[in-house]
Amino acid sequence: DAGVIQSPRHEVTEMGQEVTLRCKPISGHNSLFWYRQTMMRGLELLIYFNNNVPIDDSGMPEDRFSAKMPNASFSTLKIQPSEPRDSAVYFCASTRTSGNEQFFGPGTRLTVL
Amino acid sequence: GNSVTQMEGPVTLSEEAFLTINCTYTATGYPSLFWYVQYPGEGLQLLLKATKADDKGSNKGFEATYRKETTSFHLEKGSVQVSDSAVYFCALSVHYGGSQGNLIFGKGTKLSVKP
Repeated sequence: DAGVIQSPRHEVTEMGQEVTLRCKPISGHNSLFWYRQTMMRGLELLIYFNNNVPIDDSGMPEDRFSAKMPNASFSTLKIQPSEPRDSAVYFCASTRTSGNEQFFGPGTRLTVL
Repeated sequence: GNSVTQMEGPVTLSEEAFLTINCTYTATGYPSLFWYVQYPGEGLQLLLKATKADDKGSNKGFEATYRKETTSFHLEKGSVQVSDSAVYFCALSVHYGGSQGNLIFGKGTKLSVKP
């Protein structure tokens, strides 16, 4: 099994630009989670999906952030426009709904200049 | 509400020392408890878990026992190695109606082991 796949692994962009982060969950997993990790705030849940449907997006910081899951094998997290305070490592994780272990991807390190 | 509190780091130990990282929780219902580990530059990996009171999770020499009476899930290892240097996260998940709730993480404890 390839595990959770995230792309890109690193992204450097300028303030105001649009950023799209991508995630491919483990095949057969039907829940997907997006997290943000910073030194100041630790690990924060942004949004999660069950069977491609967003369940809880209360962690999404602002309207500049949006997430989609058009099918069971793909999700995106978009930031538009990006700001320097969005700089962080963004993780995607997936799990079977009936299980209780989340499998994390390697993360995308985002730097907004 | 549901929350996890773990000891603040960083923790610095010499190789072969005994490790304890404290974790306590507050939860409605009956949570499952986890320890995740994050090695430098990587995502989080499940280290061990326990799903009911008095269960002991163990892996790679690490252990943690689910203590309902003290609402704790402390991580221990008898003899740490340099390769154990990482950030350790305590987490809980509360099931609702057969479906898993999302994980709630502590802030993480950075462990550095010196040779």
